[in-house]
Amino acid sequence: GQNIDQPTEMTATEGAIVQINCTYQTSGFNGLFWYQQHAGEAPTFLSYNVLDGLEEKGRFSSFLSRSKGYSYLLLKELQMKDSASYLCAVKRNYGQNFVFGPGTRLSVLP
Amino acid sequence: DTGVSQDPRHKITKRGQNVTFRCDPISEHNRLYWYRQTLGQGPEFLTYFQNEAQLEKSRLLSDRFSAERPKGSFSTLEIQRTEQGDSAMYLCASSPGGGSEAFFGQGTRLTVV
Repeated sequence: GQNIDQPTEMTATEGAIVQINCTYQTSGFNGLFWYQQHAGEAPTFLSYNVLDGLEEKGRFSSFLSRSKGYSYLLLKELQMKDSASYLCAVKRNYGQNFVFGPGTRLSVLP
Repeated sequence: DTGVSQDPRHKITKRGQNVTFRCDPISEHNRLYWYRQTLGQGPEFLTYFQNEAQLEKSRLLSDRFSAERPKGSFSTLEIQRTEQGDSAMYLCASSPGGGSEAFFGQGTRLTVV
């Protein structure tokens, strides 16, 4: 089976850096994806990792350690518009579907 | 707009009625996914198509749910004899395959009264 854990809520200040952690247990791992979802809207793709290490995309970076079943999303220079839910998802190498975590609701305060 | 399109955006139905939702994926994407999402939770996988073949169905998908993708393009999700517990956002996503990310539609919000 699959089990994905994320903190339920986080709060940070505008301009700061925040790290959102994700731990997973799954069989047939084929990539770890991060999505952003604003309230009432569809999830939008942010970043993904297949191999261990850090992937950087502008203000967003994502890290993966496959041996530890661990990933994090790093958001720098936080802006008010970054207030959203952040979903961690594992892609399996059979079935090909994405398994999502419960999401972390981030509130950015002025 | 070449994104994933879902119709309708909102649906209110009485308990016991049947409903059908439509998803038009990004045109060159051969993989299509249906998810269900309730407030404060992550999307839960329902079913997955590669072209017209339905390759996987979640145990969440009871026999009241059926999905089709007859020509490997658009897909429909039907819920028969709706129950209040079916109230949720139904999300469709598509991907070109391989290790690529999935692109989501805006979803259909179902309310069963």
